[in-house]
Amino acid sequence: DAKTTQPPSMDCAEGRAANLPCNHSTISGNEYVYWYRQIHSQGPQYIIHGLKNNETNEMASLIITEDRKSSTLILPHATLRDTAVYYCIVRVTTGGFKTIFGAGTRLFVKA
Amino acid sequence: GAVVSQHPSWVICKSGTSVKIECRSLDFQATTMFWYRQFPKQSLMLMATSNEGSKATYEQGVEKDKFLINHASLTLSTLTVTSAHPEDSSFYICSAPDRGRSQPQHFGDGTRLSIL
Repeated sequence: DAKTTQPPSMDCAEGRAANLPCNHSTISGNEYVYWYRQIHSQGPQYIIHGLKNNETNEMASLIITEDRKSSTLILPHATLRDTAVYYCIVRVTTGGFKTIFGAGTRLFVKA
Repeated sequence: GAVVSQHPSWVICKSGTSVKIECRSLDFQATTMFWYRQFPKQSLMLMATSNEGSKATYEQGVEKDKFLINHASLTLSTLTVTSAHPEDSSFYICSAPDRGRSQPQHFGDGTRLSIL
C-alpha cells in the first residue's frame, strides 16, 4: 500500500473549519483514501473514504486532488470533541484489506 | 451501522498468566479480522490477520507462539497472550472490514492489558 505523509500536529479554533492535509504521491489507481481518527484511549473511528471524487458525509468532507497525489479532510465546524489523532490511509480493496497506520496528525481544537 | 465489540476493555493480571481477548462483529460476518497493538504515544501496529477457518498470518517480528489467534466462527476472533510479562502491557485493538469492496474497517474499543 502507498505511504502517506501528514503533519504531526495542528491547531484549530473551536467553530472554525479544520483542514487536515495528506500527501500520498505514490498512490496507485486502485487504492482508496481512507480517514480515521482516534480519540484518546479508544479504538479508531472511521470518518470517510474516497477514490477520486470529492466526498461528504455527516462528519466531514474529503477533497482529493485531480492527480490523486494528495487529499484534505475538512471538519467544517470543529468542536472540542474533535481533538484527536487523524490518520490518512491509502489501501487497495483486494487481497487482505490490511490497514497500515502511519503516525497521523494530532489535532488540537482550542476554545 | 456495523459494530465491532471487544472484551474485556481492561485487564490486570500477574506475570506468567495467559490472557484471552475477544473480538466480535455484531451485525455482519467477518472472514478476516485484524489485531493491532498500540504503545503510549505511538501509532497502531498491525500484529496479525485472523482468518476464519485457517491459520492467522503474522506480521514480521510478531511471535506467533506468544500471541495465539483463533478465528473459530464468522463473528468471533480471539487473541491469547500466553505467559504474559510486563513488556506485553499495551493497548490491543481488533478490527474487521465491512461488507463490500471498498468498505472501511470497523474497530473495537480496545483492551488495555496491564501485566504486573
